[in-house]
Amino acid sequence: QVQLQQWGAGLLKSSETLSLTCAVQGGSFSGYYWTWLRQSPGKGLEWIGESNQSGSRNYNPSLQRRVTISVDTSKRWFSLKLSSVTAADMAMYYCARARIAAAGHLEAFDIWGRGTMVTVSS
Amino acid sequence: DIQMTQSPSSLSASVGDRVTFTCRASQTISTYLNWYQQKPGRAPNLLIYDASSLQSGVPSRFSGSRSGTYFTLTITGVQPEDFATYYCQQSFSTPYTFGQGTSLEI
Repeated sequence: QVQLQQWGAGLLKSSETLSLTCAVQGGSFSGYYWTWLRQSPGKGLEWIGESNQSGSRNYNPSLQRRVTISVDTSKRWFSLKLSSVTAADMAMYYCARARIAAAGHLEAFDIWGRGTMVTVSS
Repeated sequence: DIQMTQSPSSLSASVGDRVTFTCRASQTISTYLNWYQQKPGRAPNLLIYDASSLQSGVPSRFSGSRSGTYFTLTITGVQPEDFATYYCQQSFSTPYTFGQGTSLEI
């Protein structure tokens, strides 16, 4: 059974860089896009971006200037960095597996991590 | 970005009821629509993908359908464990977007 185990700093100061990592336990690491999402009361669920094992990445344009998603295939990890955080970045951050359909498009986010609450103080 | 609009924002039901959630896309997305259930303090859980395909392990009382840019999720015979918030999500194009959710309440 595939599980995603995520960790990272949950308390940041304004202008710092958010850094989270997600480990893929079980299953295949290839053939999927590894994804970060966040959820806040104000913005709801928001897709941040994704990367596959080859380093092909897609980002939400609203965050693209500040986001980096990287993959370490040897460790079966993927990571999120979000620079220059503000109070608007306070949210629950989730890592997730994006299942890809045979036609090559995203099918769904079928496995999720438990989430990391990120708080930003001034 | 494709806007996903869910209605209503909350829904009251009793155990055994048939309930329907609605989601509308701001443009055509074919059948690239997924439904998730989220309980308090938990991550979302995939129920339906590709508008009407049941995710493995999800009870058959959940079903999905599409009519143009309108999508529905139906629970036939609500169970106590179904009281939660339900979200739709389009997988047609990036940035992938979610509806604001419908809360199913007793």
